[in-house]
This record gives sequence, structure tokens and C-alpha cells, in this order.
Amino acid sequence: DAKTTQPNSMESNEEEPVHLPCNHSTISGTDYIHWYRQLPSQGPEYVIHGLTSNVNNRMASLAIAEDRKSSTLILHRATLRDAAVYYCSFRPLVFGKGTRLSVIA
Amino acid sequence: DAGVTQSPTHLIKTRGQQVTLRCSPISGHKSVSWYQQVLGQGPQFIFQYYEKEERGRGNFPDRFSARQFPNYSSELNVNALLLGDSALYLCASSSEGREGLFDTQYFGPGTRLTVL
Repeated sequence: DAKTTQPNSMESNEEEPVHLPCNHSTISGTDYIHWYRQLPSQGPEYVIHGLTSNVNNRMASLAIAEDRKSSTLILHRATLRDAAVYYCSFRPLVFGKGTRLSVIA
Repeated sequence: DAGVTQSPTHLIKTRGQQVTLRCSPISGHKSVSWYQQVLGQGPQFIFQYYEKEERGRGNFPDRFSARQFPNYSSELNVNALLLGDSALYLCASSSEGREGLFDTQYFGPGTRLTVL
């Protein structure tokens, strides 16, 4: 079962860091962890992915637990444009319900 | 470079009708996947095609079918539409078609299907 567990919703103030958690306890050793986000009225867009080591790109950072059963997407400074539903996935074709992030000005 | 494109953007059908949705992948991408997204839920996988062959199928009835053409574009067909088929249908392309391995999906804007 490729199920992930994420909070239904989270809220952040603008310009503050946001940590979005995801549990994926059934992940196997070769599964990459992917994060996508979906802005209103758009298709999902790729954010970041990783296997074992923490990863950084221009959009976000990904922190992966040592046992790989959980990960955290980190937005270093939330902006209003980051308000979206964030999905984590360890099977590229499998998505859960995601976390709806609200950003308050 | 153009992203994934889908047509039409919106569609209204009545129960029992048939619908065809179209998708053009990013240039150079050989894999196309289709998803259904019902309001408030994450995308649910329907099909994956790679090099014109079906690589995966989700838990959807046989009323759903798809195909991929030599230019890697794809069509999703749904027959005998039900009210419950109303959803956003998303197409995603990727460079490879190996499920379970690193295979970032690039999504189109979707086709909003309403069944009355």
C-alpha cells in the first residue's frame, strides 16, 4: 500500500518558514519521495524529490528522516503565492489528499 | 518550451454520452499518465502509457480507455458517462515510464468535465 499521511490543513504567516510533514511508513528502499503542489484552478506542479539525503532547490527544501518513514517539506519564507494544496508521494503515480496551506498576510 | 497541453478546458455532457479528452506531452517526453481529480481529493491514477503501450492501469471501470499515438500525444475516452464521472481530468507527462522509479510528473491544466 502506497498510502501517505498528511495534515488536512496548515496555516502560516507571510514571510515565516513553513514545515509540511508527511508520513510514508510503507516506503521501500528504492522509492523516491516526491512533493507536488496544486495552486487553485491549476494542475499539480513538481516541487522537489529525494531518496535519502536532504535536498534543496529554488522552491523548497526536503528533509528526510533517517528511517525514511517520514519527510518534511520546508518553505523557508512563505509568500501568498505559496497558498496551495501540497502532496507528498513515494510512488510517482499515487497521490493522497494533501495538505491545504493557507498563508496569511 | 511548451508545457503539457490539454483540450478542451471545459466540457459538459449528459449521462450516457461518450467523451474524448486530449493531451499533448512536453516535447521529448515519451510517457503520458491520466488522472481523475474529484473536488477535495488528490489526483487518482487512471492510466499510464509509454511508447504507445499501456504500462499501468488504476482501479477504474472498463468504460475508461486510453491510447497513445506515435507523436506521444494521448486520448482518454470515457463511455456511458455517469454523474460520478464529473471531475477534473489531468494529464501528466514524464520522460520515462518506469513506475516506482524516479519519474517526475509534469501536469497539464486539466479538463473540467461536468456530467448532467
